[in-house]
Amino acid sequence: GENVEQHPSTLSVQEGDSAVIKCTYSDSASNYFPWYKQELGKGPQLIIDIRSNVGEKKDQRIAVTLNKTAKHFSLHITETQPEDSAVYFCAASWGSSNTGKLIFGQGTTLQVKP
Amino acid sequence: GAVVSQHPSRVICKSGTSVKIECRSLDFQATTMFWYRQFPKQSLMLMATSNEGSKATYEQGVEKDKFLINHASLTLSTLTVTSAHPEDSSFYICSASDRGSEQYFGPGTRLTVT
Repeated sequence: GENVEQHPSTLSVQEGDSAVIKCTYSDSASNYFPWYKQELGKGPQLIIDIRSNVGEKKDQRIAVTLNKTAKHFSLHITETQPEDSAVYFCAASWGSSNTGKLIFGQGTTLQVKP
Repeated sequence: GAVVSQHPSRVICKSGTSVKIECRSLDFQATTMFWYRQFPKQSLMLMATSNEGSKATYEQGVEKDKFLINHASLTLSTLTVTSAHPEDSSFYICSASDRGSEQYFGPGTRLTVT
């Protein structure tokens, strides 16, 4: 079955710096790759997603890139702010629609120091 | 839009009793709902997938007789933890999706079994 590896497990950056989190997936049939932000004691919140027919997607300070050949995708956060501190999860899904099962990475705890 | 609620947010129960957790999609019809379990500092693990009006599909290793899932309407799914034990203590999170859309997560339910 699908397996998603996420790195690093923890990331500490200075406010204003960029943060990059990387994920690799095993199943080449995967076609939907969302990123979630989870704050302590809360459910995950979708922050950006990308489908397999797109190589890059951007939304203000957040961007995601996808390399289908290498089977990896990355989250880029620019101009980080203290409120970006949270746990970030990548996920992969496959199937004819993106209502298929999500397989999550292990999570990255991002700390943005003021 | 795309709001998912869970009730209760926290529950404490005694060992051997049963607990029901509700998941509702507030502003859309959820053809599929997913139930996840998350232990402290770990990722989300999918427990089961349910489609409205049909039996849930459980992931390997998840006891269907212990974790009863009902998806009776397009806006409500319930998870009942039967004969709960301390090892069932966890953060239970549901997500909901409409056909062809991403998954929206609820805020989670913290279950503590004493």
